[in-house]
Amino acid sequence: QVQLVQSGAEVKKPGASVKVSCKASGYTFTNYYIHWVRQAPGQGLEWMGFINPNGGSTTYAQKFQGRVTMTRDTSTSTVYMELSSLRSEDTALYYCARGSRDGYKTFEYWGQGTLVTVSS
Amino acid sequence: EIVLTQSPGTLSLSPGERATLSCRASQSVTSSYLTWYQQRPGQAPRLLIYGASSRATGIPDRFSGSGSGTDFTLTISRLEPEDFAVYYCQQYGSSTWTFGQGTKVEIK
Repeated sequence: QVQLVQSGAEVKKPGASVKVSCKASGYTFTNYYIHWVRQAPGQGLEWMGFINPNGGSTTYAQKFQGRVTMTRDTSTSTVYMELSSLRSEDTALYYCARGSRDGYKTFEYWGQGTLVTVSS
Repeated sequence: EIVLTQSPGTLSLSPGERATLSCRASQSVTSSYLTWYQQRPGQAPRLLIYGASSRATGIPDRFSGSGSGTDFTLTISRLEPEDFAVYYCQQYGSSTWTFGQGTKVEIK
């Protein structure tokens, strides 16, 4: 069965960087894009960007351009999302999600989420 | 960027009642790219409806989606206890995905 397992919670100081991992299993890793979506406490969902594990190309939401980097390691079927220059507004639950291949552009499977807390 | 506005913000209903949720786009959305998700407390979102009106695998038929252009609707015909949750619409366009702000369906 498809699983996306994310790394554990992080606490960071303002100005620091955080790197969250998302390990995929149960399918061919390079066949599906992985997206990152975040959710601030009590707020809605915000799309951050995606990576194509086949080749590593990325597309980032304009809001995060210059601050986010998505990478992948095909040997371990793991995708990473690094966010730099953290500020308190970046405190959120960060999800990875697998994109669909059926042409409908949906997010079929989701990780369990990783809480990133930014606090001095 | 296309902005999705969901209404109402909160819907207070009783089990067995019908829920009608709205998602309005700032520009026309390709119906194939309009998706609905359900998020229960403490859980990740779950794919509910894709292509504006097709139910995802395992989604009961009390859930239905409709609409086109800029106006889309999610209907839950008879609310079950497990349906009280937050619902988000999402659209794709020009290599960008955006979500609505969500509608919370709460027990009255």
